[in-house]
Amino acid sequence: NAGVTQTPKFRVLKTGQSMTLLCAQDMNHEYMYWYRQDPGMGLRLIHYSVGEGTTAKGEVPDGYNVSRLKKQNFLLGLESAAPSQTSVYFCASRQGQGSWHEQFFGPGTRLTVL
Amino acid sequence: AQKITQTQPGMFVQEKEAVTLDCTYDTSDQSYGLFWYKQPSSGEMIFLIYQGSYDEQNATEGRYSLNFQKARKSANLVISASQLGDSAMYFCAIKNSGGSNYKLTFGKGTLLTVNP
Repeated sequence: NAGVTQTPKFRVLKTGQSMTLLCAQDMNHEYMYWYRQDPGMGLRLIHYSVGEGTTAKGEVPDGYNVSRLKKQNFLLGLESAAPSQTSVYFCASRQGQGSWHEQFFGPGTRLTVL
Repeated sequence: AQKITQTQPGMFVQEKEAVTLDCTYDTSDQSYGLFWYKQPSSGEMIFLIYQGSYDEQNATEGRYSLNFQKARKSANLVISASQLGDSAMYFCAIKNSGGSNYKLTFGKGTLLTVNP
């Protein structure tokens, strides 16, 4: 099993450009999450999904959109990138049953917006 | 809303010694859970240990144990017999009471350095 994978690993954008980050998991997990991690901060939840076709806002959703068309994939989109979106982005997934199950994280995507 | 406070930005420990990383939390929920994750310099997030608010015993996983003091709202991570590979950022996180549909709130982390 590959676990949780993220594409791309690194990306540099110019202000105003758009891009999509792809998260894929092969563990048949119901729940998927997108976080951002900034220096000196913990992870902050952007959006999450409780199943195929569903999405919900997290703590810092502004400037981002998401889609979960397939159970194994969770896409994070930036329509018009801003320097404030420079960050490391982590995707995570977890089982649907059992409230204690941990989230499994991908390796992260380092995004720089110039 | 939940909140996690990790008051130690950085900690140093000698190899083979034990170290405690502090975590205090704030929540109005009766049912909640606390997680610890490790983030080495390579960047990935690694799950270490979990403690449920109704668990009567402190959680243990190998060299990791969680010193859970509910009345004090603290969930400190204890690493016994530190190894050089334990050098990493450590994050404490709390899950809300949304049943299986939970979200995590993370603290800002503690950078642990293990000296040889």
